[in-house]
Amino acid sequence: AQSVSQHNHHVILSEAASLELGCNYSYGGTVNLFWYVQYPGQHLQLLLKYFSGDPLVKGIKGFEAEFINSKFSFNLRKPSVQWSDTAEYFCAVNAYKAAGNKLTFGGGTRVLVKP
Amino acid sequence: GAGVSQTPSNKVTEKGKYVELRCDPISGHTALYWYRQSLGQGPEFLIYFQGTGAADDSGLPNDRFFAVRPEGSVSTLKIQRTERGDSAVYLCASSSPGANVLTFGAGSRLTVL
Repeated sequence: AQSVSQHNHHVILSEAASLELGCNYSYGGTVNLFWYVQYPGQHLQLLLKYFSGDPLVKGIKGFEAEFINSKFSFNLRKPSVQWSDTAEYFCAVNAYKAAGNKLTFGGGTRVLVKP
Repeated sequence: GAGVSQTPSNKVTEKGKYVELRCDPISGHTALYWYRQSLGQGPEFLIYFQGTGAADDSGLPNDRFFAVRPEGSVSTLKIQRTERGDSAVYLCASSSPGANVLTFGAGSRLTVL
């Protein structure tokens, strides 16, 4: 069975600080990897995804993530955060080319950016 | 529609009552998913439809939970004899044929008193 672990439950930082959120997954085969974001009062939105190819993927709003196969990790980064990045961030995985897109999510990381 | 629509947005019920939650996916999206998000946790998979049939219902916690999608579009999640532990946000998502990305709705927040 797949599992996803997000190490930080809460992160507080100031504007312009750099952000890195950890994500590790457990699965024996090839995976598709995702980061979703939930802004206050809004629904889950896709931030970025990795299916194959370049392990460094860029998403919306200046976010990027790096897939490291040997470490089963897919950490999310942003060099300089803004107050509007305050949100909850979820890492998710599904089995590559599996029937359906059943995602397994991590527990989420709440990020608070102080102005 | 432009997005995944879920109704009601909020539902408060008493323990033991029956509840229905509705999801209207994006037009043309053949796959539909239900997830449950409890407070402080990530979404947990419940059931997945491809067309009218439930392709994977392995996440349904027990036989009080049931979902249908009779015409391959709108889906209803049904919860019988609700318990306080069923309180959560129930999320619906859909995806288009061949796509590997889910688009989520805003969710239905269920509170069982």
